[in-house]
Amino acid sequence: AQSVTQPDIHITVSEGASLELRCNYSYGATPYLFWYVQSPGQGLQLLLKYFSGDTLVQGIKGFEAEFKRSQSSFNLRKPSVHWSDAAEYFCAVLNQAGTALIFGKGTTLSVSS
Amino acid sequence: DVKVTQSSRYLVKRTGEKVFLECVQDMDHENMFWYRQDPGLGLRLIYFSYDVKMKEKGDIPEGYSVSREKKERFSLILESASTNQTSMYLCASSLGAGGADGYTFGSGTRLTVV
Repeated sequence: AQSVTQPDIHITVSEGASLELRCNYSYGATPYLFWYVQSPGQGLQLLLKYFSGDTLVQGIKGFEAEFKRSQSSFNLRKPSVHWSDAAEYFCAVLNQAGTALIFGKGTTLSVSS
Repeated sequence: DVKVTQSSRYLVKRTGEKVFLECVQDMDHENMFWYRQDPGLGLRLIYFSYDVKMKEKGDIPEGYSVSREKKERFSLILESASTNQTSMYLCASSLGAGGADGYTFGSGTRLTVV
């Protein structure tokens, strides 16, 4: 069965430091991949998505992600983290039937001053 | 901007009650989805709909049903609420099939069953 793995449950990063959140997926063909962010008590907001083409995609709020087929990964990065980036981050992939998204279990990001 | 509105932010219901969670979107999206979110489990798909009166089971449909009588509204029904249905419920919609263009989420309904 398809799955999305986010290996890190919780990450703490100092404000101003760089960030990388990991995501691995299981899927044979070229996947449709997404990153979402959820602020406390809120719904999820789309940060960026990858369908095809350039493997480095830019998103909102200064985030980017890189698709690496050889590693089945789609890691999210940000060069300099701000305190407002503290949230939960979800990676997702479109299922093989093309009917719905499968989500990882999420990574909680804390930002220390 | 597309807006997805969930009628209640917080609900407290008793075991055995029939519970209705409402979701309305205002951008003529074909596809709508219900997920539940639990700590450590992420989001799990309950039901989805790709057209009016059409519905498909997701990964965890047991104990739930849905209704889509109008394009803009997708209701989740807990036939007889149980304590293990205490959760955050998230509604989403998308224009593209299956959410291939990304979802727009509502703010969620936190349901507590006592």
